[in-house]
Amino acid sequence: SQTIHQWPATLVQPVGSPLSLECTVEGTSNPNLYWYRQAAGRGLQLLFYSVGIGQISSEVPQNLSASRPQDRQFILSSKKLLLSDSGFYLCACTARSYNEQFFGPGTRLTVL
Amino acid sequence: EDQVTQSPEALRLQEGESSSLNCSYTVSGLRGLFWYRQDPGKGPEFLFTLYSAGEEKEKERLKATLTKKESFLHITAPKPEDSATYLCAVRGGAGRRALTFGSGTRLQVQP
Repeated sequence: SQTIHQWPATLVQPVGSPLSLECTVEGTSNPNLYWYRQAAGRGLQLLFYSVGIGQISSEVPQNLSASRPQDRQFILSSKKLLLSDSGFYLCACTARSYNEQFFGPGTRLTVL
Repeated sequence: EDQVTQSPEALRLQEGESSSLNCSYTVSGLRGLFWYRQDPGKGPEFLFTLYSAGEEKEKERLKATLTKKESFLHITAPKPEDSATYLCAVRGGAGRRALTFGSGTRLQVQP
């Protein structure tokens, strides 16, 4: 079964600073990868998904971007953070032969 | 557009008091309805996948059922360790690969 790593676990950043969150997956090859954001007490909002290296689909226009430089690495970035970027960011993975989606431990981002 | 609505938003039970959580959905070509458990500050933990009306899945004190319009998560004789937020999600057809989530039900089980 796959294992999803995310870092950092928590991050406090000033408005206008850059962002880089990393997600790596073990135990599966060529997975579909996803970035979600969860606001306090809310459901999960899909931000980006990727079906392969260099292939990124964006679900909502925003201040963020994503990249997939390697098969099992997914990066979420921003050039200039906004207060509204605060939230809990989750990376998820679906193996090619399965339907279930599994989540990493998340990164808590606070923008001040 | 796929939509998922969960109710109630919050539920407080006494230990041993059975109840059900509701997930209503609209989706074009259901390719799976998923239940997750999420503890505070953690990522969601996968519980069940249901694919067709009438299907049921069980795990310990939890039982998930599915109709054409909604799913129920039945909790039998809950314990305090069942306290968590329970999330429901659907995957539709038309090539969409991601899940659409409801906002969850926060369950608190008191000893």
